[in-house]
Amino acid sequence: KAGVTQTPRYLIKTRGQQVTLSCSPISGHRSVSWYQQTPGQGLQFLFEYFSETQRNKGNFPGRFSGRQFSNSRSEMNVSTLELGDSALYLCASSLVGPGETQYFGPGTRLLVL
Amino acid sequence: DQQVKQNSPSLSVQEGRISILNCDYTNSMFDYFLWYKKYPAEGPTFLISISSIKDKNEDGRFTVFLNKSAKHLSLHIVPSQPGDSAVYFCAASGGGSQGNLIFGKGTKLSVKP
Repeated sequence: KAGVTQTPRYLIKTRGQQVTLSCSPISGHRSVSWYQQTPGQGLQFLFEYFSETQRNKGNFPGRFSGRQFSNSRSEMNVSTLELGDSALYLCASSLVGPGETQYFGPGTRLLVL
Repeated sequence: DQQVKQNSPSLSVQEGRISILNCDYTNSMFDYFLWYKKYPAEGPTFLISISSIKDKNEDGRFTVFLNKSAKHLSLHIVPSQPGDSAVYFCAASGGGSQGNLIFGKGTKLSVKP
């Protein structure tokens, strides 16, 4: 089975721009979660989608949003980028929910200048 | 307030010896615990998990111990190998499959030849 894939792998944007990241989960997995990783902060939970519905949300501003499609693929959008949004964005998939074993993609490294 | 804490940011161990990584949690509702390993520029890789009904789970060189009364878990790697050098994240969830995974900030393990 193919693993979780994320595109693009690397991205450079400037402040004020917006960005869209994509995630394809493992085949058969219906839950997709997004995380932000910054140095010293570990993995911060952004949100989780299941059956095209956002089921859980972390403590991030409304500039961070996402969606899930009928094939379980998910996108994450960040609007009005700030320097502090520079991070590794990780997507993880699991069969039915984030409380079980999640499998991570390689991440998208975002640099905001 | 951190619900999952990894108090040692780094650990250095000689090849062949035991590595012990520790993790403490505060939420007594957590009932599923996982360890992930992460190499630079890659997503976290699932290592081993344990449910709260057990106090030990073993998989090859990796053993996770859970002490519910102390709200403490540990990961033992025996024998340690240079390829084990990575950042290790402890994670916990409660509330079944829909409960979020809460991650610690990670411990960087260095195994010296």
